[in-house]
Amino acid sequence: TQLLEQSPQFLSIQEGENLTVYCNSSSVFSSLQWYRQEPGEGPVLLVTVVTGGEVKKLKRLTFQFGDARKDSSLHITAAQPGDTGLYLCAGAGSNYQLIWGAGTKLIIKP
Amino acid sequence: EAGVAQSPRYKIIEKRQSVAFWCNPISGHATLYWYQQILGQGPKLLIQFQNNGVVDDSQLPKDRFSAERLKGVDSTLKIQPAKLEDSAVYLCASTPGLADTQYFGPGTRLTVL
Repeated sequence: TQLLEQSPQFLSIQEGENLTVYCNSSSVFSSLQWYRQEPGEGPVLLVTVVTGGEVKKLKRLTFQFGDARKDSSLHITAAQPGDTGLYLCAGAGSNYQLIWGAGTKLIIKP
Repeated sequence: EAGVAQSPRYKIIEKRQSVAFWCNPISGHATLYWYQQILGQGPKLLIQFQNNGVVDDSQLPKDRFSAERLKGVDSTLKIQPAKLEDSAVYLCASTPGLADTQYFGPGTRLTVL
């Protein structure tokens, strides 16, 4: 059974600080996606990483896919209150179905 | 372009009652997913449709859950009878094809008392 473990489960920091969220597995994924989910809404795709070692940047967010395509990280620089939300990683298996992590609940305090 | 629509947004029922959720995917999207998201957890796939056929329903509790997509467009998910542990957000997502980005609706928050 493929599993994705996210850490930390919960993170509360002050505006302006940096943070990193991790997504780890013992399984290899063809691609890995990061989503953000706000209360009362469905997840919204932020990025998809496909190649081992790939780094993608989305403004202040930096996503990295591990060399072996088993893990990923999301780094936020100078976090802002608008970054508050639930961050979910999801790995795509051979049948394109997504295996989801439990999420990291992020709160950025002004 | 309109997004994935779901209704109702909220539903409160008592255990052993029945409930149904509706999803209208993005126009032209052939693949439709129903997920269950329990508080503090990631989404769990319940069923996947390709047009009006079922691709995967291996995690659907078939003794109480059923889903259909008769005309290959909108879909309904039913729970009968509901249990306390069914309290969750039920998310619908659609994609043009199997390998494409999934677009999610806002979900239906179900509370079973």
